[in-house]
Amino acid sequence: DVKVTQSSRYLVKRTGEKVFLECVQDMDHENMFWYRQDPGLGLRLIYFSYDVKMKEKGDIPEGYSVSREKKERFSLILESASTNQTSMYLCASRAPNYEQYFGPGTRLTVT
Amino acid sequence: AQSVTQLDSHVSVSEGTPVLLRCNYSSSYSPSLFWYVQHPNKGLQLLLKYTSAATLVKGINGFEAEFKKSETSFHLTKPSAHMSDAAEYFCVVRGLGGGFKTIFGAGTRLFVKA
Repeated sequence: DVKVTQSSRYLVKRTGEKVFLECVQDMDHENMFWYRQDPGLGLRLIYFSYDVKMKEKGDIPEGYSVSREKKERFSLILESASTNQTSMYLCASRAPNYEQYFGPGTRLTVT
Repeated sequence: AQSVTQLDSHVSVSEGTPVLLRCNYSSSYSPSLFWYVQHPNKGLQLLLKYTSAATLVKGINGFEAEFKKSETSFHLTKPSAHMSDAAEYFCVVRGLGGGFKTIFGAGTRLFVKA
């Protein structure tokens, strides 16, 4: 079974803090994604990566950056957390048949 | 450009009755379409996918969906709802611009009454 793990299920941070969200997959997938999920908006793509050190902006990249130093690990970074970044963050890894496998999510609260 | 619209934000059914979750898509190309389910406090799980083979697609847990090109629809159905089906369901179209973008619908929350 494909496994996608995220470093934290719940996280509380203060405004202005730098926040790291980690995602690890164990199936050697090249493509990995970070989404945020908000009620009524579905999932919105923040960034994706199609190979080590390769990244592309998604639909809402502002205020975020990413890092992919190793194939299995894709990190999302909030440079200076703000209250409007309070959300559920989902990481996904994509197989060659385009099926995406999701981690359990990180619920981030910024106070 | 691709887009996907889930026509109902909430659907409520009684246990044992049929489920219908509606999805319409817009795509300039023959799309790949997916349904995902998200149970409370869990990540998303693939229910089924359409990739230009049979138009009636069977998925896990008794769900199926029919691709209707003339109606640009990909509605999700199940003959008999179970309490464990209560969850949020997402219709998804795979974007063809560069092959990377995947567009999610806003989601439909399914409630199942005993």
